[in-house]
Amino acid sequence: DAGITQSPRHKVTETGTPVTLRCHQTENHRYMYWYRQDPGHGLRLIHYSYGVKDTDKGEVSDGYSVSRSKTEDFLLTLESATSSQTSVYFCAISESGELPKLFFGSGTQLSVL
Amino acid sequence: KQEVTQIPAALSVPEGENLVLNCSFTDSAIYNLQWFRQDPGKGLTSLLLIQSSQREQTSGRLNASLDKSSGRSTLYIAASQPGDSATYLCAVAKYSGGGADGLTFGKGTHLIIQP
Repeated sequence: DAGITQSPRHKVTETGTPVTLRCHQTENHRYMYWYRQDPGHGLRLIHYSYGVKDTDKGEVSDGYSVSRSKTEDFLLTLESATSSQTSVYFCAISESGELPKLFFGSGTQLSVL
Repeated sequence: KQEVTQIPAALSVPEGENLVLNCSFTDSAIYNLQWFRQDPGKGLTSLLLIQSSQREQTSGRLNASLDKSSGRSTLYIAASQPGDSATYLCAVAKYSGGGADGLTFGKGTHLIIQP
């Protein structure tokens, strides 16, 4: 998967607990993205980063925060998980913002009970 | 707001057939369009990317066309094989120089190729 590792691959947590998902890339790509995929909704952008410490909100950012302290790592945090955040989360990277051919990680299945 | 629709939602055909998957979008001011493949439990793999100035792109047995004025793209798969079974998604990038923060995905077509 183009040098993209997501961890954990699966996680079960309880409502109200904080959760952090990690995306690690070895491609040195500038842009990194977090998407969620839900039946009936397709993929929706949560947050993205265009450089170290440079991030911006996507379509469905409420309840999520991100951080990028190094080029290779992009963290997604659910401050207080809710059942509506049960989903499959995908990290993606692209070399530039102008020609966004995306490369995706294998995903994290998150269940919030 | 850009909306991307893929028809059909599911398709099952015998091996060896040529087939066409459809993608339509509501706003023709696009930067590019991508077709992806997703296998169960996996991430997405980019198959073809068509710039707004292009009409088609080809890779092996795959051919993607783009008609920006009518808001349509098709993915043609020739001589289908069981290994082509997957979900195929199209995604449209809006024209703002904004890159993939402006990508809108369709919900996909689930394709099954019967041996």
